[in-house]
Formats: sequence, C-alpha cells, structure tokens
Amino acid sequence: DAGVIQSPRHEVTEMGQEVTLRCKPISGHDYLFWYRQTMMRGLELLIYFNNNVPIDDSGMPEDRFSAKMPNASFSTLKIQPSEPRDSAVYFCASSPDSNYGYTFGSGTRLTVV
Amino acid sequence: RKEVEQDPGPFNVPEGATVAFNCTYSNSASQSFFWYRQDCRKEPKLLMSVYSSGNEDGRFTAQLNRASQYISLLIRDSKLSDSATYLCVGGVSGGYNKLIFGAGTRLAVHP
Repeated sequence: DAGVIQSPRHEVTEMGQEVTLRCKPISGHDYLFWYRQTMMRGLELLIYFNNNVPIDDSGMPEDRFSAKMPNASFSTLKIQPSEPRDSAVYFCASSPDSNYGYTFGSGTRLTVV
Repeated sequence: RKEVEQDPGPFNVPEGATVAFNCTYSNSASQSFFWYRQDCRKEPKLLMSVYSSGNEDGRFTAQLNRASQYISLLIRDSKLSDSATYLCVGGVSGGYNKLIFGAGTRLAVHP
C-alpha cells in the first residue's frame, strides 16, 4: 500500500493568496483527519471525516479554513486568504478505526510570507 | 489544562541506558491510548498501542494506569536510533473516536 499521500510537500506563498492542500487516504480507511503542527502548539486536530462526512470541525481556526472530502479517496484543506501565522506543517492521517491508531502522510510544509 | 500532558524533555541519555517517559490525560472517558514516534521533519509514526494490562514490544514497554490517568513508556537498552520525539496519545470517545496528541518528549541518545 502506498500509504497516505499528501501534496504538495512544500508550499511557499504570499500573504493573501489561496492555498490548497491535498490528501489521498489509504484505501478502505473510513476516517480522515487533518492536523496542523507548530513548535508552539504541537499537533492540533483541525477537522475529521467519517465516510466522507465532516464530523468535528471545532479545531478549524477560523472561516479562512475549509475542508472537503468529495469522495473516499480524496480530501482538500483550503486556506483563503492565507496569513503568515498559518505557516506550519499540515498532516493528513487516515484510519480504519481509531482503536488501531492513525497513519500519517508525509505532511505539507506551508510557509506564508 | 491540556488534555494530554508530557514532560517536553529533552532527555539526554547514553547508549544502553533505560529511560522512562510519563504522560497524563485529563479526560477520564478516554478509552484508547498510543505512543507515537516522530523523527525530525518527518510524520508521526505509530510506535505501539497501550493496553490496561500493560504491553511490551521488544525493548519498549507501555503501561496504563486508569485510576491515576497516567501512561508511561519505558525504553530499555537505548540505541542511537531511538533518538526522536515521543508523542503520547489519548483517544476521546463519543460516537466517533478522535485522538489527542501530547506535545511530545524529546529523547537524545548519545554514544
């Protein structure tokens, strides 16, 4: 299995621009999670989906952030407009059931200048 | 108060040493627990699950104390390759489980 695939690996953008991060979960995993990691705040859960339906988006920082999962093999996290404080590593993870833990993708390192 | 708290370290130990990490969680409803390992500039990877009865995987032993809401990880005979950040994770139940990660404990094993 190819694991959880995220793209791009690195993204540098100017403040105010729209950023779209992409994720392909492991086939057969019903849960998909978006996390953000910074030195100051560690790993923060932004939103998660079960069977393509958003279940808990209480971690989404503000309206500038949105996430979609149009089908079982694809999800996006969009930031519009981006700000320098959004700079972080964004991880996508998937799981068949949280009792088994999550498998993380390699992450997208976002820098907003 | 954070839901999952860990000593950030760093723990600097010589090869061959035994080192223990502790973690506390605040949500008594948490039902699933894990330890993850994260190398520098890499994604977190599942190290082991933590069961009430305690469990061992080679040089690694995990313990759970539900009464004290406390999780531990013991690493015996430390190797240079064990140098990483170790993340304690608690699962919050309620229809759909979600995992809350601690900030991590950094371990540096030196020759």
